Amino acid sequence: AQSVSQHNHHVILSEAASLELGCNYSYGGTVNLFWYVQYPGQHLQLLLKYFSGDPLVKGIKGFEAEFIKSKFSFNLRKPSVQWSDTAEYFCAPGGNQGNLIFGKGTKLSVKP
Amino acid sequence: DSGVTQTPKHLITATGQRVTLRCSPRSGDLSVYWYQQSLDQGLQFLIQYYNGEERAKGNILERFSAQQFPDLHSELNLSSLELGDSALYFCASSPGLAGVVEQFFGPGTRLTVL
Repeated sequence: AQSVSQHNHHVILSEAASLELGCNYSYGGTVNLFWYVQYPGQHLQLLLKYFSGDPLVKGIKGFEAEFIKSKFSFNLRKPSVQWSDTAEYFCAPGGNQGNLIFGKGTKLSVKP
Repeated sequence: DSGVTQTPKHLITATGQRVTLRCSPRSGDLSVYWYQQSLDQGLQFLIQYYNGEERAKGNILERFSAQQFPDLHSELNLSSLELGDSALYFCASSPGLAGVVEQFFGPGTRLTVL
């Protein structure tokens, strides 16, 4: 069965620290990968997506992610976080039913 | 604003009752998805409709059902409600069949079952 694993449940960082959130997936076929963000009290929004091509994908607000096929990973990174990045982050491979398989999410708290 | 609307925003009801959640997709989007988000289960895919037809089912209980109407809006019906059904219910839409395209999420309906 398709599955996705996000390694960190809750990450606490100070402003300007670097961020890396891990995501591993298990999926047999061609996979499309997404990271969504949910700011407090808001709906999910797309941060970035990977379909094919350059495995280093740039998204909004300075986020990027690297697809490493051999490791089935799609880790999210940001060189310097801001207080406004406090949110919950979800990794989501595209499932073979035409839906998204969401990870459990990682809560990021950034201390000012 | 994603362009996806959901009503109501909040719903408080009692166990055993039935409720209907409504979703209007973005203009032009043919696919509608329903998700349930709870503290213990995380974000779970329930069901997908494409142009009026059911296309995929996830972890949807038999007490739950959905439909998509000719104008493409969708309704999720939850019946014989239990305390454990309390959750945030999201609707999302996409132009086609997702997994390959971005889904746009609505603001959600928070259901509280007392």
